[in-house]
Amino acid sequence: GENVEQHPSTLSVQEGDSAVIKCTYSDSASNYFPWYKQELGKRPQLIIDIRSNVGEKKDQRIAVTLNKTAKHFSLHITETQPEDSAVYFCAASEDSGGGADGLTFGKGTHLIIQP
Amino acid sequence: KAGVTQTPRYLIKTRGQQVTLSCSPISGHRSVSWYQQTPGQGLQFLFEYFSETQRNKGNFPGRFSGRQFSNSRSEMNVSTLELGDSALYLCASSLTGQGDYEQYFGPGTRLTVT
Repeated sequence: GENVEQHPSTLSVQEGDSAVIKCTYSDSASNYFPWYKQELGKRPQLIIDIRSNVGEKKDQRIAVTLNKTAKHFSLHITETQPEDSAVYFCAASEDSGGGADGLTFGKGTHLIIQP
Repeated sequence: KAGVTQTPRYLIKTRGQQVTLSCSPISGHRSVSWYQQTPGQGLQFLFEYFSETQRNKGNFPGRFSGRQFSNSRSEMNVSTLELGDSALYLCASSLTGQGDYEQYFGPGTRLTVT
């Protein structure tokens, strides 16, 4: 089955700086890679996703890159703000035509924005 | 549109008992997936239902089961509860789960087994 590794487990950055979270996956058949943000006591919230036919996607201060050859994808947050503090999860899944397989999640990155 | 809802939000059960959790997807969404979240294991996929059929399944024992109704609402059942079943159970809905990949999570049911 799929295995997703996520690094780092904790990331502390100064407000206004950039943050990068990296994930690797094992199953070359995976073709969908979402990122979720989970604040304490809240539900995971989809913030951006990328499909295997795209190398990069950007949404305001958030961007995701995908390298299918190396089987890794990354989340980039620029101009970080206090409200960006949360746990971020990467995930991977494969849609084999019979419906998307369940998401396989990384262990999460606790992002701390220092004022 | 209303988001994904789950009931109950909190539950305390005793070892050996069984429990049923409920999930109502976003209106129009037909796929419902269930996940278990624990501090040690993180977020793990349990199963996915579409059109009242289990379409995908994760690596959980048979004590974990589910079903989906014709209105796409889904229930998850855990029988013979163990202490290790204490977790946050999240459901997520998507349009079809097939080409429409985005999954939106509910607030979860916090299950405590004593």
